[in-house]
Amino acid sequence: EAQVTQNPRYLITVTGKKLTVTCSQNMNHEYMSWYRQDPGLGLRQIYYSMNVEVTDKGDVPEGYKVSRKEKRNFPLILESPSPNQTSLYFCASSFVVWGAGANVLTFGAGSRLTVL
Amino acid sequence: GQQLNQSPQSMFIQEGEDVSMNCTSSSIFNTWLWYKQDPGEGPVLLIALYKAGELTSNGRLTAQFGITRKDSFLNISASIPSDVGIYFCAGPPGGSQGNLIFGKGTKLSVKP
Repeated sequence: EAQVTQNPRYLITVTGKKLTVTCSQNMNHEYMSWYRQDPGLGLRQIYYSMNVEVTDKGDVPEGYKVSRKEKRNFPLILESPSPNQTSLYFCASSFVVWGAGANVLTFGAGSRLTVL
Repeated sequence: GQQLNQSPQSMFIQEGEDVSMNCTSSSIFNTWLWYKQDPGEGPVLLIALYKAGELTSNGRLTAQFGITRKDSFLNISASIPSDVGIYFCAGPPGGSQGNLIFGKGTKLSVKP
């Protein structure tokens, strides 16, 4: 089944303890992206990647790192989590079809992170 | 950066009623996408619009790409309880090919 898989789905951690949220897709998509969702703020983009070894900042990149060493994986790293990073995180992926307009994202099921 | 403004923020309607929501931008978009997020799930694409003036339907859902290319509309006819969720509009900022930004969403509640 074509899907985007995120882990963990739920995590409670403490301030300053490094954590990684993994994201993997089995659709051979070039484009991958991370969003955070907070009440009243909708989906805000953290980082995105147009292909392997190519990453760019979104609207809210502070406090996050990403890497894209392989096409299928796009982990989100919080080096020193803080309470304001408590949120619901979504990974998404798509093909990049040049000249055809914006591409259709497939989203993961979400990872709910609480930082105490 | 560019922003998409969605309205209304939330709606409480009776089952069977029609629903209208819209999304506007201060700049031109060449694509509009509408997503729905069910409670506890990730967003799922409902309708994609690629041409100004385009009107596209998906069952009881109809979406339109505004002529000015700065807005889009989503209508749901004869709402049912499973229409509950958050509806997001999305589009590529600055005409970028791969990247997408999202509106803040319209939260729909349906009373049986």
